[in-house]
Amino acid sequence: AQTVTQSQPEMSVQEAETVTLSCTYDTSESDYYLFWYKQPPSRQMILVIRQEAYKQQNATENRFSVNFQKAAKSFSLKISDSQLGDAAMYFCAYTPNFGNEKLTFGTGTRLTIIP
Amino acid sequence: DSGVTQTPKHLITATGQRVTLRCSPRSGDLSVYWYQQSLDQGLQFLIQYYNGEERAKGNILERFSAQQFPDLHSELNLSSLELGDSALYFCASSCGDSYNEQFFGPGTRLTVL
Repeated sequence: AQTVTQSQPEMSVQEAETVTLSCTYDTSESDYYLFWYKQPPSRQMILVIRQEAYKQQNATENRFSVNFQKAAKSFSLKISDSQLGDAAMYFCAYTPNFGNEKLTFGTGTRLTIIP
Repeated sequence: DSGVTQTPKHLITATGQRVTLRCSPRSGDLSVYWYQQSLDQGLQFLIQYYNGEERAKGNILERFSAQQFPDLHSELNLSSLELGDSALYFCASSCGDSYNEQFFGPGTRLTVL
């Protein structure tokens, strides 16, 4: 069974600084997708960034980028120039590339931005 | 706005009662997923429907059931409610294309007293 582990329950960063959130996963599949979701106090689940396992290039979305290490089964999220609006729970998630499969989530990292 | 709607937003009920949560997927999405998020926890997959048929089951209790109707909306039925069922219940939908991206509704906050 696939598992996703987020070992940092809480992180904090000074506004405008850079922070990295860690995620590791376990799977026997070679083709899959990884995601980072943001959950602000509103509780809405917002997709931040996604990565295809067969693409070696790390995904980037504006201030958000990932460090995808397939051999190590590691998928960290880097947030640059942190802003107050980045404060939220961040969840790492995995799904195999079979089409129409469930997401397996980690337990989340609560990110606090210090003004 | 993800295009996925869920009703009601909040639900407060008593132990032993039965409730129904409703989800309307994005237009054209055939897959509906239900997830449960207990207090400050990650999301746990409950069940998935695809075009009206049950496709996958996760950690769903026998007291819970779901269905997807011909118009593709889905309902999650929770019965004999216990205090521990208090949680945020999310519905997500997808069309199964590249990324298998799932679009989440705003959730239903269930409180069992």
